[in-house]
Amino acid sequence: DGGITQSPKYLFRKEGQNVTLSCEQNLNHDAMYWYRQDPGQGLRLIYYSQIVNDFQKGDIAEGYSVSREKKESFPLTVTSAQKNPTAFYLCASTLGSGGADTQYFGPGTRLTVL
Amino acid sequence: GENVEQHPSTLSVQEGDSAVIKCTYSDSASNYFPWYKQELGKRPQLIIDIRSNVGEKKDQRIAVTLNKTAKHFSLHITETQPEDSAVCFCAASIRHNFNKFYFGSGTKLNVKP
Repeated sequence: DGGITQSPKYLFRKEGQNVTLSCEQNLNHDAMYWYRQDPGQGLRLIYYSQIVNDFQKGDIAEGYSVSREKKESFPLTVTSAQKNPTAFYLCASTLGSGGADTQYFGPGTRLTVL
Repeated sequence: GENVEQHPSTLSVQEGDSAVIKCTYSDSASNYFPWYKQELGKRPQLIIDIRSNVGEKKDQRIAVTLNKTAKHFSLHITETQPEDSAVCFCAASIRHNFNKFYFGSGTKLNVKP
């Protein structure tokens, strides 16, 4: 649990602005994920990464970008192309990139468009 | 891809009663089924999980059952307490070459004292 941190906790974005959400883990996990959660809905996968310098699009990648330069870090950028970004964003990680591994979540970032 | 459906969307029970939440999945290749509890504005936390090689798993008041033939799995909470009130999510994971998770839409569980 406490091994995954996200910042900031709250973030406000103006029209046409890019913002970056931070996700860091000290669990030595290989795989990392970004999810979006809207009120009353389940989690939808934005991007995921199995190893450093590699990542794949999830189900709702349009308007988002990621990088995985370090094993511990998987930042998410919400670009101006994402027209409805207001949501709760959750980062997660699993030990391995294959097999039935438990997924652990960060505390989340709530993004609001002004 | 995988499709996970969860029912009911809301569930109100009296303290001490049992609660059952059911999820169905579509892909027979799914092999790992976790259940998460999420309080408002907080991170999801693992309640219990089950892998496809077993049919049932129990941890004190909480149990999960899996029916691979019918492609459904259920969360059972006995002797519910007000502290159990939260949104519960199920998920299914398919092991191909990566552990990708598919989530249900959630059940808002309300335990009335």
